[in-house]
Amino acid sequence: NAGVTQTPKFRVLKTGQSMTLLCAQDMNHEYMYWYRQDPGMGLRLIHYSVGEGTTAKGEVPDGYNVSRLKKQNFLLGLESAAPSQTSVYFCASSYPTNLPSPLHFGNGTRLTVT
Amino acid sequence: DQQVKQNSPSLSVQEGRISILNCDYTNSMFDYFLWYKKYPAEGPTFLISISSIKDKNEDGRFTVFLNKSAKHLSLHIVPSQPGDSAVYFCAATRIGTYKYIFGTGTRLKVLA
Repeated sequence: NAGVTQTPKFRVLKTGQSMTLLCAQDMNHEYMYWYRQDPGMGLRLIHYSVGEGTTAKGEVPDGYNVSRLKKQNFLLGLESAAPSQTSVYFCASSYPTNLPSPLHFGNGTRLTVT
Repeated sequence: DQQVKQNSPSLSVQEGRISILNCDYTNSMFDYFLWYKKYPAEGPTFLISISSIKDKNEDGRFTVFLNKSAKHLSLHIVPSQPGDSAVYFCAATRIGTYKYIFGTGTRLKVLA
């Protein structure tokens, strides 16, 4: 059982380049999330999705776009990377229940923008 | 504007003693809270949660306390073990919104 898988694990970009981070989950979870982790800032929500074909903005959405074309995949795109986007990115998923269900996280993508 | 705050960036505790990690929130609409543990190079993993209708929830060595009037929650680990050394995040949400807001984290070091 792979759970939540993020690719790539590491990436170095130059300012202005674009890239897509892929998140895949095999737990048939309805909800998916993208967070970034920065020193002293904790985990901040970028975008999230409550179902296939839906997306919504989180706390820090600027500079990112997302797509949820398939239930199991959630893509995070950077159209024009900036040094401020250097971070560790985490994808997470959860399933709908009466009470909030815990998030299941991937192991992260470390992105450096030079 | 940080809605969920963990004011202690780090904490050191002797093995066998109690670890107390604190978390404060500002949004009174939050009604469900969770604690996660994170090891280096791994994603956070869920530890324990509490609904705002309770003031305490216990699971083995882990207990979470909620003080709604103070907008404060704490995680108690008793007894602390070296394997508990990790970064701990608290998170908050409002039921039905699907958005989880995390705190800044506290690095716990349990000394053998």
